Amino acid sequence: EAGVAQSPRYKIIEKRQSVAFWCNPISGHATLYWYQQILGQGPKLLIQFQNNGVVDDSQLPKDRFSAERLKGVDSTLKIQPAKLEDSAVYLCASSLAGGRQETQYFGPGTRLLVL
Amino acid sequence: AQSVTQPDIHITVSEGASLELRCNYSYGATPYLFWYVQSPGQGLQLLLKYFSGDTLVQGIKGFEAEFKRSQSSFNLRKPSVHWSDAAEYFCAVRRGTNAGKSTFGDGTTLTVKP
Repeated sequence: EAGVAQSPRYKIIEKRQSVAFWCNPISGHATLYWYQQILGQGPKLLIQFQNNGVVDDSQLPKDRFSAERLKGVDSTLKIQPAKLEDSAVYLCASSLAGGRQETQYFGPGTRLLVL
Repeated sequence: AQSVTQPDIHITVSEGASLELRCNYSYGATPYLFWYVQSPGQGLQLLLKYFSGDTLVQGIKGFEAEFKRSQSSFNLRKPSVHWSDAAEYFCAVRRGTNAGKSTFGDGTTLTVKP
């Protein structure tokens, strides 16, 4: 079974530029999550989708971050414009239906460096 | 609000020695608790989880963890560490009704000496 795929794996941009990350979850998983992991910290949830609807985006800085999951499969996370403090690893995860007892499967992440 | 504390930022053990990684949580109700491992350049992989029942849970790769409600702890243990166990370990507590409601600790980096 293929795991969660993310691209690109690494990205370096200058502040005020825009950047987009892509995630393809495990086939059949209805729930998709985007996390931000700053160096030295644990992951923090940015947004959670159930199919193509948003379940929770309370921690998403909506003035600069946006995310979509068209057709309920792949998802993209965009930052525009980027700030220095956005340097982090962006992890995508998926699970079957988002239930409390479910296992989340994480992708390898996209490491972003903002200069 | 829930929180997770991993008191040890970095631990070094010799190969073959035993390991214990500490995790303390703060949560008002019965917690759902998890341990994940993250190797360099990789995502998080679930080692084990506790929902209810037996307080000693077994996981993959020879790891186990014990839930102690009186101490609000969920420490991870392994009797004999292998060089391939070198990685970062995260404890997490999950609240609410969905998997996204998780709070992660800041991680413990494990170095294994030959």
